[in-house]
Amino acid sequence: DIHMIQSPSSLYASVGDTITITCRASQSISTYLNWYQQQPGKAPKLLIYAASTLQSGVPSRFSGGGSGTHFTLTINSLQPEDFATYSCQQSYSMPRTFGQGTKVEIK
Amino acid sequence: QVQVQESGPGLVKPLETLSLTCSISYGSITSHQWSWIRQTPGKGLEWIAYNSDTGRANYNPSLQSRVTISVDTSKNQFSLWLNSVTPADTATYYCARDGHDISGYHYYFDLWGQGILVTVSS
Repeated sequence: DIHMIQSPSSLYASVGDTITITCRASQSISTYLNWYQQQPGKAPKLLIYAASTLQSGVPSRFSGGGSGTHFTLTINSLQPEDFATYSCQQSYSMPRTFGQGTKVEIK
Repeated sequence: QVQVQESGPGLVKPLETLSLTCSISYGSITSHQWSWIRQTPGKGLEWIAYNSDTGRANYNPSLQSRVTISVDTSKNQFSLWLNSVTPADTATYYCARDGHDISGYHYYFDLWGQGILVTVSS
């Protein structure tokens, strides 16, 4: 299985801040990397696929990058609704695996 | 707009079989692949299995010996059975659509049900 490791596990930020979350894969996955946002008590929501392609309807303050084993999710100018947990997921090979999540909390 | 809804018992006894159903509304289940995914506080999100639009099933090896999935096209439903459950199987179980980009190479979970919490306890 491909192991996905996110850092940090949690972070504190303020509205208006820019933050970056990192996801590392245990082997190269090209750009087969997706990002999800999850609000408490809700299902995950797809934000970005293929490492950097924004899902329809997702605000442009979200951006993704990287390839191979190192990926990033950046949120510019954090909004109140962005405080949530973010998870990466690889679709390079079976079984599909997720990172453990990064919780973004209000400072 | 396609809607997805999981249903089933919220409490299952140890060593029994967990059985869940995913109902698809306003869309055909045969148009996409569908996956079961679960989430536990300790292990995070874990992909369980998918059923392809051609009817082929693919299972996570970590659960394969205990899992069965199937599609009922007449009811537009997708089902999961997990046998010999233990408290470690306590989780929120999600049904999710396997979407893909225009190239057909990049797959992602683009539509999720609300999830159903299943507790394994006597």
